[in-house]
Amino acid sequence: DAKTTQPPSMDCAEGRAANLPCNHSTISGNEYVYWYRQIHSQGPQYIIHGLKNNETNEMASLIITEDRKSSTLILPHATLRDTAVYYCIVRVKTSYDKVIFGPGTSLSVIP
Amino acid sequence: GAVVSQHPSRVICKSGTSVKIECRSLDFQATTMFWYRQFPKQSLMLMATSNEGSKATYEQGVEKDKFLINHASLTLSTLTVTSAHPEDSSFYICSARDGQTNSPLHFGNGTRLTVT
Repeated sequence: DAKTTQPPSMDCAEGRAANLPCNHSTISGNEYVYWYRQIHSQGPQYIIHGLKNNETNEMASLIITEDRKSSTLILPHATLRDTAVYYCIVRVKTSYDKVIFGPGTSLSVIP
Repeated sequence: GAVVSQHPSRVICKSGTSVKIECRSLDFQATTMFWYRQFPKQSLMLMATSNEGSKATYEQGVEKDKFLINHASLTLSTLTVTSAHPEDSSFYICSARDGQTNSPLHFGNGTRLTVT
């Protein structure tokens, strides 16, 4: 799986959009970008994934650059409950290969 | 959506005893499950890959005789921490993937193990 790099921490004001970046410059053509988050003392929660087109669901939006070397997860209106560690992972969708987590980005939503 | 259930959520045991943690996929069949361990303020560390009907694949540095993994059915994998010591105290998390739908990995809510 391609390596990803994320900032270690970010702050966001409550009600504002949280934009979490991820660099994956060595991503392969068949690798998807996945985002998970982990709220304290819970298991990781799947958020969204995409290949090359931008994606949106009820939780977030995923913007992938045209060259696919980076992406941004957008939480449109951050709430205090969005405070968590966010992990960006790239992998082949059909792969049973192990998923290795990096350190992620610790997002703090501030009142 | 896919649900992974992990039990127990918390367990306290004495040094030298063994503890079993269960991971179930509730509404899908998981031929492969993954076990992670997480220490405070650290990321998830993959311990092993659990394959239904065959031996688990352990990551480097993880003792297979200490962390016994059994994946006897398509919906259940168990992790047994044998002869537990205080340094085994950690947050253990399992995950599974529905191979039929190519859905993303889904995770259990973790088990907080405290060894006294």
